[in-house]
Amino acid sequence: QSALTQPPSASGSPGQSVTISCTGTSSDVGGYNSVSWYQQHPGKAPKVMIYEVSKRPSGVPDRFSGSKSGNTASMTVSGLQAEDEADYYCCSYAGSNNFVFGTGTKVTVL
Amino acid sequence: QVQLQESGPGLVKPSETLSLTCTVSGTPVSSGSYLWTWIRQPPGKGLEWIGYIYYSGNSNNNPSLKGRVTMSVDTSKNQFSLNLSSVTDADTAVYYCARFLVGNSYFDYCGQGTLVTVSS
Repeated sequence: QSALTQPPSASGSPGQSVTISCTGTSSDVGGYNSVSWYQQHPGKAPKVMIYEVSKRPSGVPDRFSGSKSGNTASMTVSGLQAEDEADYYCCSYAGSNNFVFGTGTKVTVL
Repeated sequence: QVQLQESGPGLVKPSETLSLTCTVSGTPVSSGSYLWTWIRQPPGKGLEWIGYIYYSGNSNNNPSLKGRVTMSVDTSKNQFSLNLSSVTDADTAVYYCARFLVGNSYFDYCGQGTLVTVSS
């Protein structure tokens, strides 16, 4: 299975929005609503921000939102804040009890 | 509160077997609500799903690891373990253990990670 494709980088000024895409195939992203997104600060463990395409776990700000269209999932961070600067990874169920992560996107707050 | 902690050698020789244990507290590994999962991250690179084990002992792992992975679970110690055989320097990574929520399909708790270096 191949990693899901994400842009290497994205950026925005404080208060702006940034959207990260996550492109897979009909065998993973397109085939299931089991896409989640993780934030990772340097030297830290990943933290879930979005699950099942568009749901937010308790404690995650509503500035984070998710969606999916066909084989591409997206996560938008609205009202960018300095603490949002991090690496972001998508993850999808890939069938046959397998999972696959995205290549990762480094978000910079300008 | 839920905590996961990885433990094991930080240095493994090429062709040998990497062995890690995840000690879980605050949640039973015997619960059928979770998949006990291993994830790794080579230095400066992205996350890779290694595989999971269920409380029953059923497991599955990343096909790209070509049968080098075995996992086990010890409900009496509330631990689960990873063995990765025939390691090369490509297996050098930070290894995380994580709890995956079956009902909601996401990793809700991760350990802090442990760096394993493959080198002679």
